[in-house]
Amino acid sequence: EVQLVQSGAEVKKPGESLKISCKGSGYSFTSYWIGWVRQMPGKGLEWMGIIYPGDSDTRYSPSFQGQVTISADKSISTAYLQWSSLKASDTAMYYCVRVLVTGSSYYFDYWGQGTLVTVSS
Amino acid sequence: EIVLTQSPGTLSLSPGERATLSCRASQSVSSSYLAWYQQKPGQAPRLLIYGASSRATGIPDRFSGSGSGTDFTLTISRLEPEDFAVYYCQQSGTFGQGTKVEIK
Repeated sequence: EVQLVQSGAEVKKPGESLKISCKGSGYSFTSYWIGWVRQMPGKGLEWMGIIYPGDSDTRYSPSFQGQVTISADKSISTAYLQWSSLKASDTAMYYCVRVLVTGSSYYFDYWGQGTLVTVSS
Repeated sequence: EIVLTQSPGTLSLSPGERATLSCRASQSVSSSYLAWYQQKPGQAPRLLIYGASSRATGIPDRFSGSGSGTDFTLTISRLEPEDFAVYYCQQSGTFGQGTKVEIK
């Protein structure tokens, strides 16, 4: 059974750093792209970026380039999303997703349970 | 960058009725690249349809997808109580804004 298990909820202050995780199991972790999707409170879904754990090739949405860092440790089948300096506007639910690539497009066939990040002074 | 516009914003229907949700792209999209997701309150989204018309694993056959070019449709033939949720279309890094299907 394919599973993506994310780390728990976080409460942080503006300016703090944070790294959340997503552990994949039930499939070959290095053979599929992993992505991150943001959902701000009461809002829709936004694609942030994807990484191929096999070689760490990473692509970012222009909206998130330079704002976050996506990484992966294939030895423990875990992907990460990190911030160096959080802002209140980073408050959101963050989902990791397994990515299926079709031609020049892709979609998300498995989703983690989500990690709620709250940034407040 | 492609923009996906979903309509209506909210659909008020009764169980047993048919739901028709629209997703319009700002430029032509290959049918292979259009997906639909369902999100219930407090839950992660789940994949319903990929390639515009292929049901994902475990998705009931009352859900169907169709369309090509710039106009795509998700149809729920007979609404079950568990189908009241928000639905999103997606093409690569772009999501539509969502359609909420609520109980009338």
